[in-house]
Amino acid sequence: GAGVSQSPSNKVTEKGKDVELRCDPISGHTALYWYRQSLGQGLEFLIYFQGNSAPDKSGLPSDRFSAERTGGSVSTLTIQRTQQEDSAVYLCASSWGDFTDTQYFGPGTRLTVL
Amino acid sequence: KNEVEQSPQNLTAQEGEFITINCSYSVGISALHWLQQHPGGGIVSLFMLSSGKKKHGRLIATINIQEKHSSLHITASHPRDSAVYICAVSGNQFYFGTGTSLTVIP
Repeated sequence: GAGVSQSPSNKVTEKGKDVELRCDPISGHTALYWYRQSLGQGLEFLIYFQGNSAPDKSGLPSDRFSAERTGGSVSTLTIQRTQQEDSAVYLCASSWGDFTDTQYFGPGTRLTVL
Repeated sequence: KNEVEQSPQNLTAQEGEFITINCSYSVGISALHWLQQHPGGGIVSLFMLSSGKKKHGRLIATINIQEKHSSLHITASHPRDSAVYICAVSGNQFYFGTGTSLTVIP
């Protein structure tokens, strides 16, 4: 079956613009995760959805970041007023249940803020 | 502070060697994950452990909950094993190690 897909694969934007990143999880997966991997840095947890609810938003770096999930499926990560330090690869993953289940990762969206 | 520490940071091995990557963590967890990331490639989940030991092909992962430590072993290493191996722990959120970059030389 289809894996986790993300779009766009690459996004170049100017500082101050808003961007939307999309994640399509594996069908039937109730949990969805967003991570960020900055150049030369490790992975950073951003937010986790169980169904349409995000129990903990404390991983979001600032109030410019928001995420939503609708219909227990597609999720969007929105970054408002982008800054150069937002440049990174944004990864999405999904799993059947919760944190104790194997996660399946998407290919990521490479965001470059000029 | 780093909730998850991995060692070594970089590792070069000759083909066929036995490889061990270590992970220590300081938070309470419900599971520990080993991930693999090839250069320019995506991330693949290798193992998810909450106790004991798991084996998949030439890869073995162990965890000691009392000591808050896990190891990833690769037997008979091969150049295609060259990748970054990442330890992650999950409790109420995810914490990641900084990764171990493995290069296996033919």
